[in-house]
Amino acid sequence: GDSVTQMEGPVTLSEEAFLTINCTYTATGYPSLFWYVQYPGEGLQLLLKATKADDKGSNKGFEATYRKETTSFHLEKGSVQVSDSAVYFCALSANQAGTALIFGKGTTLSVSS
Amino acid sequence: DAGVIQSPRHEVTEMGQEVTLRCKPISGHNSLFWYRQTMMRGLELLIYFNNNVPIDDSGMPEDRFSAKMPNASFSTLKIQPSEPRDSAVYFCASRSGTADNSPLHFGNGTRLTVT
Repeated sequence: GDSVTQMEGPVTLSEEAFLTINCTYTATGYPSLFWYVQYPGEGLQLLLKATKADDKGSNKGFEATYRKETTSFHLEKGSVQVSDSAVYFCALSANQAGTALIFGKGTTLSVSS
Repeated sequence: DAGVIQSPRHEVTEMGQEVTLRCKPISGHNSLFWYRQTMMRGLELLIYFNNNVPIDDSGMPEDRFSAKMPNASFSTLKIQPSEPRDSAVYFCASRSGTADNSPLHFGNGTRLTVT
């Protein structure tokens, strides 16, 4: 079945460091791909998405490119801030109307000043 | 837009008791999802509804779990009887439309502790 694999955390960085969180997926067809972020005590929020191959999703300085050839959707940010500390989830939605999202296990990011 | 509203935020109960978690989706959203989050297993889909109809409940762990959506503005997830291994954060999410690229909107979750 469809699945998402994320790099294990936690990821610990200093402020202004470069961030990469790896995400690969397994799916039939052409899924839509998402990154969600979860701040402490809150639910998940959509960070960015891409719906077809070579699309780049971006938001708040974060970017991810839908790579069909490597079945990947890695999250990157050039310069992280303390406020970026959160748990990041990669997710996919099968290319069928009415289906649910499948999430990776999440990667905890901790940024120190 | 009030967002997805879940209640209670925290629930502590003893093993064997019945637990009912509640969710009010965003008005106009026609898909609703229940997820469970634990450290060991991450975020697991339990069940989801489209237009109040259960579509896939294969993620419901066992018969002790049941979910209903009597109308478009309310859903419940019930555990009877509860067990310590049910301790987790339970999230409700809703979505407008059924297109696969529509984002989910999550509530803040209910943290359940079963002692």
